[in-house]
Amino acid sequence: QSVLTQPPSVSGAPGQRVTISCTGTNSNIGAGYDVHWYQQLPGSAPKLLIYLNSNRPSGVPDRFSGSTSGTSASLAITGLQAEDEADYYCQSYDSGLTLGVFGGGTKLTVL
Amino acid sequence: EVQLVESGGGLVQPGGSLRLSCVASGFTFRSFYMSWVRQSPGKGLEWVANIKQDGSEKYYVDSVKGRFTISRDNAKNSLYLEMNSLRAEDTAVYYCARVPSPFGVGYMDVWGRGTTVTVSS
Repeated sequence: QSVLTQPPSVSGAPGQRVTISCTGTNSNIGAGYDVHWYQQLPGSAPKLLIYLNSNRPSGVPDRFSGSTSGTSASLAITGLQAEDEADYYCQSYDSGLTLGVFGGGTKLTVL
Repeated sequence: EVQLVESGGGLVQPGGSLRLSCVASGFTFRSFYMSWVRQSPGKGLEWVANIKQDGSEKYYVDSVKGRFTISRDNAKNSLYLEMNSLRAEDTAVYYCARVPSPFGVGYMDVWGRGTTVTVSS
């Protein structure tokens, strides 16, 4: 059971918009700790997608955006493309632990 | 090019030991916190251990405390993970990752390709 809860899967057709939620508690996201997102393509290492809630590293398309509200965070992907099919993980910090924590991951399927 | 390359994975029997290595290039290794993150087959990510820039502070997930030791050699731009008393549940791909925050918490911006550890008799 992950500290941060994500839906196991989401799907969308090319060109559509999808969102992936990441639900925490008042000891992590709700406490104001930053949320980060990673994309893991099949057979590859994770790649930083969004950092400090809403910032994109150089090279990440602006189709990807992040936001937080209360005890939750969301990753939005607009203009869905086949190459976006991957696993997505949120990550934050929990005041009860000494290391960062990850969500369980969400598999995005592009229909 | 900023790069992390892991090595040392393999097949080991339960109760055995293994030492993972990660060589960094393309950035000033000694300036960054470094971490090990693992991913069990078909499962999610788990932050395993963290080490401060000078090696003076180390943090571990509860499940590996007392069995795993993270260390680094800044002269060799290398990060290590000594794993003892290995269990079946330690089977995973182990990733080396860089933590940009000077305090060791936050995100990981550079990841290696990973090295696979299989614990089985």
